[in-house]
Amino acid sequence: AQKVTQAQTEISVVEKEDVTLDCVYETRDTTYYLFWYKQPPSGELVFLIRRNSFDEQNEISGRYSWNFQKSTSSFNFTITASQVVDSAVYFCALSSGYSTLTFGKGTMLLVSP
Amino acid sequence: DGGITQSPKYLFRKEGQNVTLSCEQNLNHDAMYWYRQDPGQGLRLIYYSQIVNDFQKGDIAEGYSVSREKKESFPLTVTSAQKNPTAFYLCASSLQNPGQVYNEQFFGPGTRLTVL
Repeated sequence: AQKVTQAQTEISVVEKEDVTLDCVYETRDTTYYLFWYKQPPSGELVFLIRRNSFDEQNEISGRYSWNFQKSTSSFNFTITASQVVDSAVYFCALSSGYSTLTFGKGTMLLVSP
Repeated sequence: DGGITQSPKYLFRKEGQNVTLSCEQNLNHDAMYWYRQDPGQGLRLIYYSQIVNDFQKGDIAEGYSVSREKKESFPLTVTSAQKNPTAFYLCASSLQNPGQVYNEQFFGPGTRLTVL
């Protein structure tokens, strides 16, 4: 069985602060994929990143960065210099073996001006 | 533009009625999925289909039914047997590449179903 835990239910920051969203996963498979999705108030999930288990390089995309650490089974997401438009629910998800996606319960990020 | 459409955006149903939610994609994706989202919860998989005329139950299939007669369409019927149908329903699709474990799923805008 696979599991994704996002321990932070809600995070509130002020604009321009950096914020890290935590994601811890469990799987017995050696090959797996990790994902992050953003769900703005409109409701549609937006794909942000996919990472496979053999690629532990951290990735940066603009103000977004991801830290993948197999040793701690974590795939954390950092937003640098947060903006009001970053306010959304963020989901971490895992797929291993040939199973479907397992989502965490999400972290609601509120960025105030 | 390529994408996934879901209709209607809002749907109201009386108890005891069946209702069908539409999901159409023009991304030429093989796989399609239905999820249910409740407040404060993650997404839970209802049904998925990896090929036309074939589909599998997800974690919470009871009270739901699907069909996959065309590659681009995957309608979900919420039956009267579903005891708590009020929720946000999301449809998704993804490529199915042989030999690759998993591709990212792309989501539609969702349908909010309310049972009166």
